Amino acid sequence: NAGVTQTPKFRVLKTGQSMTLLCAQDMNHEYMYWYRQDPGMGLRLIHYSVGEGTTAKGEVPDGYNVSRLKKQNFLLGLESAAPSQTSVYFCASNRGGQGIGYTFGSGTRLTVV
Amino acid sequence: KNEVEQSPQNLTAQEGEFITINCSYSVGISALHWLQQHPGGGIVSLFMLSSGKKKHGRLIATINIQEKHSSLHITASHPRDSAVYICGVRSGQFYFGTGTSLTVIP
Repeated sequence: NAGVTQTPKFRVLKTGQSMTLLCAQDMNHEYMYWYRQDPGMGLRLIHYSVGEGTTAKGEVPDGYNVSRLKKQNFLLGLESAAPSQTSVYFCASNRGGQGIGYTFGSGTRLTVV
Repeated sequence: KNEVEQSPQNLTAQEGEFITINCSYSVGISALHWLQQHPGGGIVSLFMLSSGKKKHGRLIATINIQEKHSSLHITASHPRDSAVYICGVRSGQFYFGTGTSLTVIP
């Protein structure tokens, strides 16, 4: 089925470890986003991309890096995980422009111990 | 963070009731989103609007740009509507509310 696929779905990391979350979409969307969702905080934008080869910071970018080498993939990296990065991470994409809604991935639950 | 405020935080309704969820925002926006998050965690985009009103099935979303307010209405509510409804705005950055948890009782 067409959509946004996130891998992995669950992960437990030790403090200081690194990992990469992968987001893949097959809808030829230009815009892709990484959000984190924490209890009582709502969705917060980490980084986003408006096209292949572009990235930009969102509201909470510290501690994360991203890359968009291919249009269909948007990678979120944690170089040195911290317990404060325990969260549920959602990737989303859309065609961009006004009146266009998002398609969300199913989320990645990350726990940093 | 208070760019987007939703009310109520929690809502319980009987099946068949008309439901309204409110969203107020404090920044100038280019678009407003309504999302639905099911108990399993998946998020679905319901509406994206910048003026007026949109309708999809039993769901209606309205926005008043002058008053910086949007409402999401659900007509003839059903237990399958039980979910968290999230309002978000695009204002340079993207800001989302903390959601309204809706439970519809049979």
